Amino acid sequence: DAKTTQPTSMDCAEGRAANLPCNHSTISGNEYVYWYRQIHSQGPQYIIHGLKNNETNEMASLIITEDRKSSTLILPHATLRDTAVYYCIVRPPQAGTALIFGKGTTLSVSS
Amino acid sequence: EAGVAQSPRYKIIEKRQSVAFWCNPISGHATLYWYQQILGQGPKLLIQFQNNGVVDDSQLPKDRFSAERLKGVDSTLKIQPAKLEDSAVYLCASSSQTGQPQHFGDGTRLSIL
Repeated sequence: DAKTTQPTSMDCAEGRAANLPCNHSTISGNEYVYWYRQIHSQGPQYIIHGLKNNETNEMASLIITEDRKSSTLILPHATLRDTAVYYCIVRPPQAGTALIFGKGTTLSVSS
Repeated sequence: EAGVAQSPRYKIIEKRQSVAFWCNPISGHATLYWYQQILGQGPKLLIQFQNNGVVDDSQLPKDRFSAERLKGVDSTLKIQPAKLEDSAVYLCASSSQTGQPQHFGDGTRLSIL
């Protein structure tokens, strides 16, 4: 079973920041938090991952709480193309470990 | 770099027929995964290969599903005979041995009539 809890759905206005929360209260000390998204009729797309520190890349920012029990994915300026299902996944550090997906959060961006 | 390639993109068959899916991973990626995604759910791992060896097939219904990766590159997933509950998207993913994120193909959407 997935080790994360996410809201089923969220709405965001185009141009505004989208903040997607994830709860992973049972995370182990060496497990990473990964975020993927899946746009309709496409395969999941990697967004970002982190262990303890906050991370930022060209797609998003990841904020992990100090106790590591929750995190937030931030899309700073959401566009219509960001409409997708967003998955928060906890993953052991061993290379090649398969991903365990939950149901994710459906983000709807509207104009 | 080229992404993970899958074919066919769509397949419709009748129950009890057989079907096969093909996957070509990203060049140099040693690990290959097959996931099943039922409508409204997240992907679920069916089988994982490291080069041409099976790492995990605990979730593969072996009475009807089979998969192979003979030369450690391309892979095929077969269902024989298909059941109605096999209607799903079958996703292939690959990753390198250095722990980099998995990359997914766009999947094969299977419909069983």
